[in-house]
Amino acid sequence: EILLTQSPVTLSLSPGDRATLSCRASQSVTSNYLAWYRQKPGQAPRLLIYGASSRATGIPDRISGGGSGTDFTLTISRLEPEDSAVYYCQQYSNSPGTFGQGTKLEIK
Amino acid sequence: QVQLVQSGAEVKKPGASVKVSCQASGYPFGTYGINWVRQAPGQGLEWMGWVSTYNGQTQYAQKVQGRVTMTTDTSTTTAYMELRSLRSDDTAVYYCARGVIVPSARAYYFDYWGQGTLVTVSS
Repeated sequence: EILLTQSPVTLSLSPGDRATLSCRASQSVTSNYLAWYRQKPGQAPRLLIYGASSRATGIPDRISGGGSGTDFTLTISRLEPEDSAVYYCQQYSNSPGTFGQGTKLEIK
Repeated sequence: QVQLVQSGAEVKKPGASVKVSCQASGYPFGTYGINWVRQAPGQGLEWMGWVSTYNGQTQYAQKVQGRVTMTTDTSTTTAYMELRSLRSDDTAVYYCARGVIVPSARAYYFDYWGQGTLVTVSS
């Protein structure tokens, strides 16, 4: 199965900053079948990005995804307090689909 | 709007079984499979398996294979996940999620999630 490693584990930034989260795969993710989710405390995950760079319904354009092959990034511009959450990447090119361990984003 | 509404929290003893339900609404039930994902306290997300809402076909993760059964009831647009021989490390929040499959992909991404069901296994 494909192992996904996210970095950093924790990221602490200020409102208005830009956050860059990384997701590295142990082998190439075919057709960039990679998704990103946000999970706030006590809530279910919410889909942000699929296909590495396509935004899900209702996701603002200050959130963007990029990358290919084994290296992917999630970028959040103009950080707001509501962006505080844990972010997970997930590959769905190979079975079983697997998740990264998450990056916790704190807004100071 | 699409909604997945899960059953309430459960407390079970080791060795017992639990059955969690997930009622879907707001879309044609038979057009998307239902996946189950769990999250142990303070931990990440773990895919458990998938059930087709079209023909009942299933695929389970190796870790729970043999202990889990996923089913659907199309008359009530409800999916079920039953986990047997519960252990303490099965304590987790269990989520159902609508799975999106794309051509040539071998797994799903999840566009809508239920609110989660906490299952606590304790003697």
